[in-house]
Amino acid sequence: GESVGLHLPTLSVQEGDNSIINCAYSNSASDYFIWYKQESGKGPQFIIDIRSNMDKRQGQRVTVLLNKTVKHLSLQIAATQPGDSAVYFCAEPPRGSARQLTFGSGTQLTVLP
Amino acid sequence: DTGVSQDPRHKITKRGQNVTFRCDPISEHNRLYWYRQTLGQGPEFLTYFQNEAQLEKSRLLSDRFSAERPKGSFSTLEIQRTEQGDSAMYLCASSFPGLAGGGSYNEQFFGPGTRLTVL
Repeated sequence: GESVGLHLPTLSVQEGDNSIINCAYSNSASDYFIWYKQESGKGPQFIIDIRSNMDKRQGQRVTVLLNKTVKHLSLQIAATQPGDSAVYFCAEPPRGSARQLTFGSGTQLTVLP
Repeated sequence: DTGVSQDPRHKITKRGQNVTFRCDPISEHNRLYWYRQTLGQGPEFLTYFQNEAQLEKSRLLSDRFSAERPKGSFSTLEIQRTEQGDSAMYLCASSFPGLAGGGSYNEQFFGPGTRLTVL
């Protein structure tokens, strides 16, 4: 069955506010997670990744937090912009493999003017 | 544009017809993946090539589906006797060992997909 999933299918935020997109996973042995962004009509695009030996990783305007105790990770987007409107997926490679990705069901982020 | 390209971008076909999609990966990438994505869901893995060798196939890849990568460059995905349940976005991705992000993951670069509608 699915080992990663997302809490909310949709999220609406005001432009300029911060966005938080959540993801839960079931396999306590999972050690690597990736966030992808998929804009309408396009393929998924890599945003940021995190290994299980880290609690937090920051990129440009994005931060991923990993809580291994409750098997939860989140993607935080600072000062959300209209261009951030997209579907966001958390994903992980299978254990022992760096081949196919297993995606969650995604959260549609809508940025309101 | 040197990213992953897919052709066609859209395909409408009647049930029972055969369709073929093409994927051109990033030129130096030796790994190529096919995924299927239905509305409201994340992409689901179908199959994976390393160079010309098809190394893994998902249970989703029924006998009506076949994928090839004859020269280790572009790949084709054929669906025979299409069914309405085949309607989906078919995504191709490529990667190259050594182009890692923050960890051991070899980033997969996705193409724009081919949207298939079976009437």
